[in-house]
Amino acid sequence: QSVLTQPPSASGTPGQRVTISCSGGSSNIGSNSVNWYQHLPGTAPRLLIYKNNQRPSGVPDRFSGSKSGDSASLAISGLQSDDEADYYCASWDDSLNGPVVFGGGTRLTVL
Amino acid sequence: EVQVVQSGAEVKKPGAIVKISCKVSGYTFTDHFFHWLQQAPGNGLEWMGLLDPEDGETLYAPKFRGRVTITADTSVDTAYLEMNSLRSEVTAVYYCAISKGRDGAFDVWGQGTMVTVSS
Repeated sequence: QSVLTQPPSASGTPGQRVTISCSGGSSNIGSNSVNWYQHLPGTAPRLLIYKNNQRPSGVPDRFSGSKSGDSASLAISGLQSDDEADYYCASWDDSLNGPVVFGGGTRLTVL
Repeated sequence: EVQVVQSGAEVKKPGAIVKISCKVSGYTFTDHFFHWLQQAPGNGLEWMGLLDPEDGETLYAPKFRGRVTITADTSVDTAYLEMNSLRSEVTAVYYCAISKGRDGAFDVWGQGTMVTVSS
C-alpha cells in the first residue's frame, strides 16, 4: 500500500489530453513539493516534473504538473504512442512514513 | 555529462549477502545525494534510503531500516547498497539515483541492477 495514491491505469488516443492524479496528505504533498517520473519497463526512470510544475531541460512542454492542497496532477497533452509508460509521483514526507514516499504508479496506455 | 552506472546482475542464495554499486561521473561526487530504490516484480518503485556523500549521513525508509546499508567510497566516486540475510522477497531491480539536495528530485538514474535470490 503506497503512501501516495494514484490510479493504476489511464488511457487515451493519440493527440488527446490525459491527466494522472496523485493524492497524499498534509505530511507529504500538503507541505512538500511533488516530482513526477516516467518509467518505460527495462529502462532507467526519467525525471519528468520537479517542484510541482518545473520541467527539466529536454522534457517537452506537452508535460505539465500542478499541485493543490494535498493532491497533485500530471497532464500530458498531444498524446503520442511513445508516452506509453508507467508514471510515478513522489514527495518528501515529514512523518514516520518518510522521508521519501512514492505513489503506486499509473500505467498509461495509448490506444 | 553526468552519468550513473550500476554494477551487473547478481544471483544469490537465501541467507547470503549482496553488495551492488553505483559509480558516478561528470560532477563533483559530494555535490549530490545518493538514493536507492527497489522495484519488485509486478510492483512499483519504492524508495529505500539515501546517503549524503559529504558526511556519510544516511536515512532509510521504515521498511528497509536495519535490513540494508548504504555506503560510499569517495576515492572511487561510488555508492553501494548492501543487503544481508537475503530472502526470496528481495528479488527485484534496484535503482540508484542522485539528487541535488536531500529532498531534491532524482535528476539522474542508473540503469538498474537485477538481484535474484533463489536456492
